[in-house]
Amino acid sequence: EDQVTQSPEALRLQEGESSSLNCSYTVSGLRGLFWYRQDPGKGPEFLFTLYSAGEEKEKERLKATLTKKESFLHITAPKPEDSATYLCAVLIQGAQKLVFGQGTRLTINP
Amino acid sequence: DAGVTQSPTHLIKTRGQQVTLRCSPKSGHDTVSWYQQALGQGPQFIFQYYEEEERQRGNFPDRFSGHQFPNYSSELNVNALLLGDSALYLCASSYTGSRNTIYFGEGSWLTVV
Repeated sequence: EDQVTQSPEALRLQEGESSSLNCSYTVSGLRGLFWYRQDPGKGPEFLFTLYSAGEEKEKERLKATLTKKESFLHITAPKPEDSATYLCAVLIQGAQKLVFGQGTRLTINP
Repeated sequence: DAGVTQSPTHLIKTRGQQVTLRCSPKSGHDTVSWYQQALGQGPQFIFQYYEEEERQRGNFPDRFSGHQFPNYSSELNVNALLLGDSALYLCASSYTGSRNTIYFGEGSWLTVV
């Protein structure tokens, strides 16, 4: 069965303290891996799509990487406004749906 | 360029009633998917519409149905509402013809009492 697991469930950091969020996946065939940011009560905001192992993408303080079994979202010198839930999802070969992990709740304290 | 728009943003319904949620995809997108997100969980795929037909369906009962119109907009209908249907309903749009990304709307919060 296709499965996506994110860790940790929640993470609290001090402003400026860099860290990484993990997304591990078990799927029959990967078409793409997506990262989204979701603020409370809002829809997911697109961050990145990664298509193949070894690929990396960056946006401001965020950098996403992909291997054959997992993806990391690295946050460098985070600010309080980076506080949100970060969702990872995979698009599977031959299917039209995104399979999501449960998310990582990130809190950045000033 | 408007992104994915959904309506209504919030609504309250009584058990047994029916609800219709609406979605307009991002300009240039032809595919609409619907997801249900319970509190504290990741979104769960309900179904996807392309060329006015349901292309794939997730593990949801027949009480959940949908439609796509010629202008690519879509509706999600839920009949015989249950308390457990209370959730954030998200619409996602994409373009089938390329390895494009998938954008989400802000969602419709449904509370069943």
